[in-house]
Amino acid sequence: AQSVAQPEDQVNVAEGNPLTVKCTYSVSGNPYLFWYVQYPNRGLQFLLKYITGDNLVKGSYGFEAEFNKSQTSFHLKKPSALVSDSALYFCAVRDTGAGSYQLTFGKGTKLSVIP
Amino acid sequence: DADVTQTPRNRITKTGKRIMLECSQTKGHDRMYWYRQDPGLGLRLIYYSFDVKDINKGEISDGYSVSRQAQAKFSLSLESAIPNQTALYFCATSDPLSAYEQYFGPGTRLTVT
Repeated sequence: AQSVAQPEDQVNVAEGNPLTVKCTYSVSGNPYLFWYVQYPNRGLQFLLKYITGDNLVKGSYGFEAEFNKSQTSFHLKKPSALVSDSALYFCAVRDTGAGSYQLTFGKGTKLSVIP
Repeated sequence: DADVTQTPRNRITKTGKRIMLECSQTKGHDRMYWYRQDPGLGLRLIYYSFDVKDINKGEISDGYSVSRQAQAKFSLSLESAIPNQTALYFCATSDPLSAYEQYFGPGTRLTVT
């Protein structure tokens, strides 16, 4: 079965500092990995995805994520945090090896960027 | 106009009442999903549909039913609402051509008193 874990419920970072939001996954085959962001009173918005190829994926709003197969991780990063990045972030996985067409979401990490 | 819309956006109802949440999409996707979001639990899949004739239960389908009226419309019903169904409900669509990346509606905040 596919699963994803976000080990931190909350991450606090000062504005201008680099940020990292962690995600690890478990699949039987090759993973498709996604990051979504949810702003207050809004639906989830797609940030980026890893399907194949380059392990460093670049997405919207200056975010990037690094796929690490040996550590089964897909951490979200940004070199310089903005106050407007404060939101709830979700990692999701699809197990292509299991023939799954669904995404499994993590429980979310609340990012707070402090001015 | 938004690609995935949900109505109502907010609803307060009483225990035992039947309620329907509606979702419409203009993305032309065959696959549609219903999730509920609870604080600290993330998103959990209730039902999903691959086309009008194909509906499947998700992780937490008990107490819910769905109807796929057309490719563009997917409704979620609570036959007899109970307080622990108070949550934020999201509809989503996906496209196989984009690796099943999902597109979400704005959500419906449901409160059952």
